[in-house]
Amino acid sequence: ETGVTQTPRHLVMGMTNKKSLKCEQHLGHNAMYWYKQSAKKPLELMFVYNFKEQTENNSVPSRFSPECPNSSHLFLHLHTLQPEDSALYLCASSPSDTYGYTFGSGTRLTVV
Amino acid sequence: KQEVTQIPAALSVPEGENLVLNCSFTDSAIYNLQWFRQDPGKGLTSLLLIQSSQREQTSGRLNASLDKSSGRSTLYIAASQPGDSATYLCAAIKAAGNKLTFGGGTRVLVKP
Repeated sequence: ETGVTQTPRHLVMGMTNKKSLKCEQHLGHNAMYWYKQSAKKPLELMFVYNFKEQTENNSVPSRFSPECPNSSHLFLHLHTLQPEDSALYLCASSPSDTYGYTFGSGTRLTVV
Repeated sequence: KQEVTQIPAALSVPEGENLVLNCSFTDSAIYNLQWFRQDPGKGLTSLLLIQSSQREQTSGRLNASLDKSSGRSTLYIAASQPGDSATYLCAAIKAAGNKLTFGGGTRVLVKP
């Protein structure tokens, strides 16, 4: 374990379902991130939160809705997804941009 | 816009040979550069973080160098082992704000 925990590890959902991904860190970091990793594409930044405030939305479709209730928890709410949204979703945290990132193990999402 | 490139995309070597993985970035105004390892279907494990004021970092058999002026970083893995087989990703952290831009990765196979 890296200190960043993601649940669930695997998720299969239909296009009409609503589900949420959870990320938790107790490293004392003040920034948290969602990344998407699709097959044969570089990791894509989705959202950045600093001190619970969203500071970056990388043109992500509204069917992905992040929530950061406190500095230790980050959620990604999913609804009416498309099959092309199937990917590995990775959460990361950092104390600042000086010390680098710590990643979770990811949630493998399959949309059917 | 920062672009990070890793060449080659894939590499196969016999056990015991030294590995040299290349990473180039277009915007030299980086804060840090971080190397990660990713096993199939898993999250990212941080290997080395080089701050912009540093030229290299070492950890065991791993050594990473950074040349900001030429926009390059190199990861050296000495005396490779089959357990080193994985995808290696480099990522540049932008000077302003917490944005990590990833390369496409180099998939390494070390044959016993």
